[in-house]
Amino acid sequence: AQSVTQPDIHITVSEGASLELRCNYSYGATPYLFWYVQSPGQGLQLLLKYFSGDTLVQGIKGFEAEFKRSQSSFNLRKPSVHWSDAAEYFCAVGASGAGSYQLTFGKGTKLSVIP
Amino acid sequence: EPEVTQTPSHQVTQMGQEVILRCVPISNHLYFYWYRQILGQKVEFLVSFYNNEISEKSEIFDDQFSVERPDGSNFTLKIRSTKLEDSAMYFCASSRPSIGNTIYFGEGSWLTVV
Repeated sequence: AQSVTQPDIHITVSEGASLELRCNYSYGATPYLFWYVQSPGQGLQLLLKYFSGDTLVQGIKGFEAEFKRSQSSFNLRKPSVHWSDAAEYFCAVGASGAGSYQLTFGKGTKLSVIP
Repeated sequence: EPEVTQTPSHQVTQMGQEVILRCVPISNHLYFYWYRQILGQKVEFLVSFYNNEISEKSEIFDDQFSVERPDGSNFTLKIRSTKLEDSAMYFCASSRPSIGNTIYFGEGSWLTVV
């Protein structure tokens, strides 16, 4: 069975600083990997996804993530954080079975941004 | 941009009561899902639905849960006899049935069982 580990429960960064959120996954086959963001009282919004091809993927809001198979990692990065990036970030691995996707989520990393 | 819509946004119910959570998936999507997030815990897969039947379900999705697509637009999750531990945010989601397609989530229905 697949699993996702997000080792950092809470990260605080200053506005304008760079950001890296860690994600490690366990999955027997080629993983489908996702980062979602959840603002307070909001649903889950997809930031980016990796299915195949280029291991560095670009997403919305200036985020990017790099798939490293050797490290079983899919870390999310942003070069300069904005106050509006404060939210909870979830990494997920997708297992495709019978045509549908069963996403397994990590516990999330809460990002706080200091002005 | 098309979105998944869910109602109600928040419901409080007494233990033992039946609850129906409603969702309108994105119109050209064919796979529908329910996930839940107990406060402070992970988002967990409950069930996926395709072609008017369940395609996959987790061990959480026991006999007290059921899903239905009663018409061409709605997708519902019914909890027959709610328990305190059913208190959670329930997310509906939908996707196209192709590899590489995104799963789009609604904003969630917060269920509180008292």
